[in-house]
Amino acid sequence: DTGVSQDPRHKITKRGQNVTFRCDPISEHNRLYWYRQTLGQGPEFLTYFQNEAQLEKSRLLSDRFSAERPKGSFSTLEIQRTEQGDSAMYLCASSIRGGQGVSPLHFGNGTRLTVT
Amino acid sequence: SQQGEEDPQALSIQEGENATMNCSYKTSINNLQWYRQNSGRGLVHLILIRSNEREKHSGRLRVTLDTSKKSSSLLITASRAADTASYFCATTLTGGGNKLTFGTGTQLKVEL
Repeated sequence: DTGVSQDPRHKITKRGQNVTFRCDPISEHNRLYWYRQTLGQGPEFLTYFQNEAQLEKSRLLSDRFSAERPKGSFSTLEIQRTEQGDSAMYLCASSIRGGQGVSPLHFGNGTRLTVT
Repeated sequence: SQQGEEDPQALSIQEGENATMNCSYKTSINNLQWYRQNSGRGLVHLILIRSNEREKHSGRLRVTLDTSKKSSSLLITASRAADTASYFCATTLTGGGNKLTFGTGTQLKVEL
């Protein structure tokens, strides 16, 4: 168990540019989540996958955001035409479907995005 | 939007003292979990309590759940400097699918 890996750890970009983040979940985990966290707040749900299917997407996720999980393994989160309000920590988490659908999330260390 | 609110927002104690954090939530839940986050890092799962449970222990952690009051508490006994972190409650909502909705967090500082 090497844990959830996120790349890059930090990204600084200029407003209007596109950025893409990658998440590698724990290998046997079939669920993968993306959250966004701003300073002093708890993580806010963005989207989640079960295997390769994107099952839920937050209303917070504008059409500039897209996530994929090809083949049910790693996932990418792309933000197009970045805005200063997109500056945040983007957290990825994975879990395995447990009894009654309840199991803890394992988080990566996040990608910190700064939009200048 | 945040489902839960933690109280207090910040807590400072001496090593060896107990720390109690409270979480209130708004809607019916399936389960409630507590997570810890060290500065600049991801969250680490601490403990899960189901909606039909009232109390759960794990090492120095004790969690209670009162569904009638829509509240939970996390007690850390005999705190250590290494417990310094932010603590978040998170809920899985009834009929809310599998996503976790996090509260606003309590920043705990344990001083030597």
